[in-house]
Amino acid sequence: SQQGEEDPQALSIQEGENATMNCSYKTSINNLQWYRQNSGRGLVHLILIRSNEREKHSGRLRVTLDTSKKSSSLLITASRAADTASYFCATDERNAGGTSYGKLTFGQGTILTVHP
Amino acid sequence: DAGVIQSPRHEVTEMGQEVTLRCKPISGHNSLFWYRQTMMRGLELLIYFNNNVPIDDSGMPEDRFSAKMPNASFSTLKIQPSEPRDSAVYFCASNIAGLTDTQYFGPGTRLTVL
Repeated sequence: SQQGEEDPQALSIQEGENATMNCSYKTSINNLQWYRQNSGRGLVHLILIRSNEREKHSGRLRVTLDTSKKSSSLLITASRAADTASYFCATDERNAGGTSYGKLTFGQGTILTVHP
Repeated sequence: DAGVIQSPRHEVTEMGQEVTLRCKPISGHNSLFWYRQTMMRGLELLIYFNNNVPIDDSGMPEDRFSAKMPNASFSTLKIQPSEPRDSAVYFCASNIAGLTDTQYFGPGTRLTVL
């Protein structure tokens, strides 16, 4: 299976509700990133959390990282219809020397639909 | 900042034809990544370059695929001959290796091979 696996695969909520997406991975990482992809568009970086961080906030986004469980979660608070998109986690894996391979491995994504 | 530029945005071709996808990374970025996205396999890294040199091409599916980066501002991904199973959206992304961990994606090229 892939390095980053998101759950759920799809999430449908009402505007104003919170949306939580989870990501699990298998290897040691330097950082974990979340990206958003609107239909027919490229991916856009949302937030990065480093392996020595446990929580990070950016506007309505909150990301947590648990390296012992090799998992991360993305919380979008007070969702809006404009948040409708696919959300991907991506891991920057750490090599045996403790540095980065210089590339990201993406999960399969969570499709979020926010109904007005 | 113009962002990562890809061309063409859409390509429809017939099986057996050669296809060339183009990418211009963000000025000053020294790493460039080619991805393929399909419903079945998700987003796959095909190859990436650092300072115009291919670093990891383990994701290139087969010899029909080749990529070049002749200079810091241009890269191509070529498929020859193309097959229907190559139909996908191909993305190019760039960043500054070791400085910016995030990647900046282009709008993608939607390839349809009939």
